[in-house]
Amino acid sequence: TQLLEQSPQFLSIQEGENLTVYCNSSSVFSSLQWYRQEPGEGPVLLVTVVTGGEVKKLKRLTFQFGDARKDSSLHITAAQTGDTGLYLCAGVKWGAQKLVFGQGTRLTINP
Amino acid sequence: DTGVSQNPRHKITKRGQNVTFRCDPISEHNRLYWYRQTLGQGPEFLTYFQNEAQLEKSRLLSDRFSAERPKGSFSTLEIQRTEQGDSAMYLCASSFVANTEAFFGQGTRLTVV
Repeated sequence: TQLLEQSPQFLSIQEGENLTVYCNSSSVFSSLQWYRQEPGEGPVLLVTVVTGGEVKKLKRLTFQFGDARKDSSLHITAAQTGDTGLYLCAGVKWGAQKLVFGQGTRLTINP
Repeated sequence: DTGVSQNPRHKITKRGQNVTFRCDPISEHNRLYWYRQTLGQGPEFLTYFQNEAQLEKSRLLSDRFSAERPKGSFSTLEIQRTEQGDSAMYLCASSFVANTEAFFGQGTRLTVV
């Protein structure tokens, strides 16, 4: 059983559309991170959220941490072809030192 | 500092052979992590070091796997008697002790034939 469940697992949309990716768990996390990974490369950190209810914006990307610290979402406005990639959420449980990853959302933005 | 560096980037080996991978973390980072990622999945934790001490190992790390960080700088991950199921991307990451934000290397893609 995956500790962090991401949905959808695959998403293919047209350039200019908006989208939301979800990361859900029954566990509480002290922090949650979002990464983007290109084929054959390591994950690249996009953002870290640490406070329940926190919202962070990175240009067209908006990240939210759930009030109960069990879930997170990533919203992309006006998607561009350069947003294509594998988006991974990863959480750190209280008192732990390691990241626990979701299975990822593979996003394809079509021109 | 150019970030976390992993070598080799790709390794093809025959079943039963031993392989060793190297990771050079960001120089100021005390913590170093190893993860394994199979196709279509997120990375899975293998082990981590704080300086030279190996503080946690996953049950995924069978006795064929060993990791070292002898001087608290670079780390090596060795797999003995490789099996086809070991084929995966092996990722190294590093972070500060007080911060679990991890920065990943480009990974080593292992293929066991």
